[in-house]
Amino acid sequence: QKEVEQDPGPLSVPEGAIVSLNCTYSNSAFQYFMWYRQYSRKGPELLMYTYSSGNKEDGRFTAQVDKSSKYISLFIRDSQPSDSATYLCAVRGSNYKLTFGKGTLLTVNP
Amino acid sequence: GAVVSQHPSRVICKSGTSVKIECRSLDFQATTMFWYRQFPKKSLMLMATSNEGSKATYEQGVEKDKFLINHASLTLSTLTVTSAHPEDSSFYICSARDEGLQLDSYEQYFGPGTRLTVT
Repeated sequence: QKEVEQDPGPLSVPEGAIVSLNCTYSNSAFQYFMWYRQYSRKGPELLMYTYSSGNKEDGRFTAQVDKSSKYISLFIRDSQPSDSATYLCAVRGSNYKLTFGKGTLLTVNP
Repeated sequence: GAVVSQHPSRVICKSGTSVKIECRSLDFQATTMFWYRQFPKKSLMLMATSNEGSKATYEQGVEKDKFLINHASLTLSTLTVTSAHPEDSSFYICSARDEGLQLDSYEQYFGPGTRLTVT
């Protein structure tokens, strides 16, 4: 079983739609949960991070963690064409090493 | 915000030659840097952890004699792909942790990546 599972998509939505991206992880020792956005041929940039179960909101983005089911989500409200990118979930334990999901390719159509 | 640069952004080399990729933290010091490899439509795979002033820690399955890492200063780590082969063609990305932040900081800043093509 892979440490982090993420549906690679691709996912195509119309502008203004609510987007839901999800990952599952296998190791309960993971303590930090991140979402990165990566544009084509660029390095990832951090969007959101959470430490505990629950929701964290930042503008149009909401990150959700359910440690009991080892499930993490990212919601994008009022999606824009500029949100088109690959979204990577990542987890981290007590060390600083990140384990990434495969990434979900999102296209928001005008 | 913290910036990490990589040089070169793109390199094409012939099979059997060696290629050096630089990773720099521009406005902060980084005792620890990480090197990742990403194949098309695949996730980032951690190759090694680069530690300033000491040997790098390689992930299982990564050949340390092929991927030489040198972290000689608090702002520079280099990855040298030795005797490159076409299967080494990939997107190499580094990240750096800002040591100035709190000890348990989650933040890693990623470079823009280097696309290596071995012909």
